[in-house]
Amino acid sequence: DTGVSQDPRHKITKRGQNVTFRCDPISEHNRLYWYRQTLGQGPEFLTYFQNEAQLEKSRLLSDRFSAERPKGSFSTLEIQRTEQGDSAMYLCASSLFRLRNTEAFFGQGTRLTVV
Amino acid sequence: AQKVTQAQTEISVVEKEDVTLDCVYETRDTTYYLFWYKQPPSGELVFLIRRNSFDEQNEISGRYSWNFQKSTSSFNFTITASQVVDSAVYFCALSAALLSSGSARQLTFGSGTQLTVLP
Repeated sequence: DTGVSQDPRHKITKRGQNVTFRCDPISEHNRLYWYRQTLGQGPEFLTYFQNEAQLEKSRLLSDRFSAERPKGSFSTLEIQRTEQGDSAMYLCASSLFRLRNTEAFFGQGTRLTVV
Repeated sequence: AQKVTQAQTEISVVEKEDVTLDCVYETRDTTYYLFWYKQPPSGELVFLIRRNSFDEQNEISGRYSWNFQKSTSSFNFTITASQVVDSAVYFCALSAALLSSGSARQLTFGSGTQLTVLP
């Protein structure tokens, strides 16, 4: 399978706990994005990487959120001290950027429920 | 700033009917890309089409067609002869095309239109 894969698909956690999600992009894609989607809304941009460099972060990404992409391959998104408002679908996408960006391909997402 | 508006929150049609999904966008960028994505119940966003702002030619791809009107900032999407498997949430999205634009790296999505195709 050459698509974007995310793990886990579902995560239920207690408020205050830390959680970490993983994303494996399409292998030749140099850009990786994280989006958050709440019920009934479109995805909202959180952050993106070009290779291993995190080049942009949305104001939605509070200090409790951190993302990494070591070696420019897979990426992790960690949420510390989770709050109920963090409950959402977290989507990862990747694209190939050369002179211009191509369309982004999305994974199936990680649905986080904070209880 | 960029904004995408999908005024239709839900649409229901009977199988084999044609259905058009509306999308209106706002951007200050002179060149940009427009997209349609489909999100079935499984959750994965599936890429459908991309248009460049400098090419207003409308096209048909199988049962999908789109109508891009730069003068009215609209990018409508039509499914011909709808099928039950087309039932999903459809998102219109926008990104700038130039690297100099701060939003070239991300997609701005509308809130989606839930399409239900009844048998």
